[in-house]
Amino acid sequence: EIVLTQSPGTLSLSPGERATLSCRASQSVSSSNYLAWYQQKPGQAPRLLIYGASSRATGIPDRFSGSGSGTDFTLTISRLEPEDFAVYYCQQYGSSPLMYTFGQGTKLEIK
Amino acid sequence: EVQLVESGGGLVKPGGSLRLSCAASGFTFSYYTMNWVRQAPGKGLEWVSSISSSGTSKYFADSLKGRFTISRDNTKNSLYLQMNNLRAEDTAVYFCASATNSWYYFDFWGQGTLVTVSS
Repeated sequence: EIVLTQSPGTLSLSPGERATLSCRASQSVSSSNYLAWYQQKPGQAPRLLIYGASSRATGIPDRFSGSGSGTDFTLTISRLEPEDFAVYYCQQYGSSPLMYTFGQGTKLEIK
Repeated sequence: EVQLVESGGGLVKPGGSLRLSCAASGFTFSYYTMNWVRQAPGKGLEWVSSISSSGTSKYFADSLKGRFTISRDNTKNSLYLQMNNLRAEDTAVYFCASATNSWYYFDFWGQGTLVTVSS
C-alpha cells in the first residue's frame, strides 16, 4: 500500500503570496493519472482541484497548478486569494487491489 | 447540475447497524462508479468503499474487515452503505462521491452525513 505524506502540515502565508504544497509517495505512483488534489473548507465537502497530477478540474482558477511524477508531487497556488485558505489533500489511486489513499492534509492558514 | 445528497446518519450504539443513502441527480447515475469516503472529527479523509456502475464489482478498505456493504439501485439513482457491528472509531462524516470522468479520482461530493457511535 502506498502511503502519501504531505508537507508542511501547516503553511502560514499572506494573500498575494505563492504557496507550494508537497505530496510524497512511499513508492512510485505508477501513473501520474492516478494523483489528484482536493481543497476542503471547514464544514464543507472536499472539492476536486487537480487530477492527473496537473490537469485543473472544471471551474478551478488558473492560479492553481499541479506538477510531479513518480514519488514527488506539488500543488502550487501562484497568488493566494482570501478564499484559498483551507486544507488541501492529495490522493492516489491504486489498482491491485483497487484502493484510494489520501495524504494527511496541509492546512493553509492566513499569516 | 450534479447533486449528491446523503442521509441516514445519526447516533448508534456500539455493535449497532446503520444504513446510509445517497440520492444522486444531474447526471446519468447508472453510467458511473460511486464511492463512500469518511472523515473522523478533526481528521483527514479516508476512502471506505467503491461500487462499479452496474453494481457487480465492489471494493472496500481493508480496515473495515467485512462489516460494511455497498450497494446501488440504478432505477432510483441511489447509493447505499450498510454498516454493521459499528465501533467508536467509525464515528465520522460519511461522504458520497462520484467518479464520472475516471476511476482515478472523485469529481463530485455530497455534503456528508454524520454517524456517531457511542453508548
